Amino acid sequence: EAGVVQSPRYKIIEKKQPVAFWCNPISGHNTLYWYLQNLGQGPELLIRYENEEAVDDSQLPKDRFSAERLKGVDSTLKIQPAELGDSAVYLCASSLIAGGSDTQYFGPGTRLTVL
Amino acid sequence: QKEVEQNSGPLSVPEGAIASLNCTYSDRGSQSFFWYRQYSGKSPELIMFIYSNGDKEDGRFTAQLNKASQYVSLLIRDSQPSDSATYLCAVNRPRSSASKIIFGSGTRLSIRP
Repeated sequence: EAGVVQSPRYKIIEKKQPVAFWCNPISGHNTLYWYLQNLGQGPELLIRYENEEAVDDSQLPKDRFSAERLKGVDSTLKIQPAELGDSAVYLCASSLIAGGSDTQYFGPGTRLTVL
Repeated sequence: QKEVEQNSGPLSVPEGAIASLNCTYSDRGSQSFFWYRQYSGKSPELIMFIYSNGDKEDGRFTAQLNKASQYVSLLIRDSQPSDSATYLCAVNRPRSSASKIIFGSGTRLSIRP
């Protein structure tokens, strides 16, 4: 079974530029998560989708971040414009909620560097 | 107070010994608990999850949950150098309050030969 796929793996941009990350979850997983992870910290949830619906985006900085999950499969996370403080690893995860389980499987992440 | 707290370490354990990793959480209504391992530069990978009080064993790993004291631990028996990584504790808050999984900052574990 293929795991969560993310691209690109690395991205270097200058501040004020836009950037987008793409995620393809594990087949059949209806829940998709975007996390931000800073060095030495645990992942912090940005947004969670159940199918096409964003059910928790309370931690997403909506002035510059946006996300979409059209057709309830792939998802894209965008930052526009990027700031220096956005440098981090952006992780996508997916889960198949069964019996209340939220066991999440993570993709390899996208390491963003904003110069 | 953080919702999920872990000692950042590093925790140094000799090869072959038992490594004990601890995690406390603040939301008493939390229902499910997860341990992830994260190697440097890699993404987290699930080791174990536990829902009920007591112990749950899987190979060399044992997760322990004590809801009354609001802590969850991970024991690694016969520690190997390949166990050297950061271990993340994650807690699922109950669905009635907008279910969300909260991660701790992780404990760095180093197994010395």
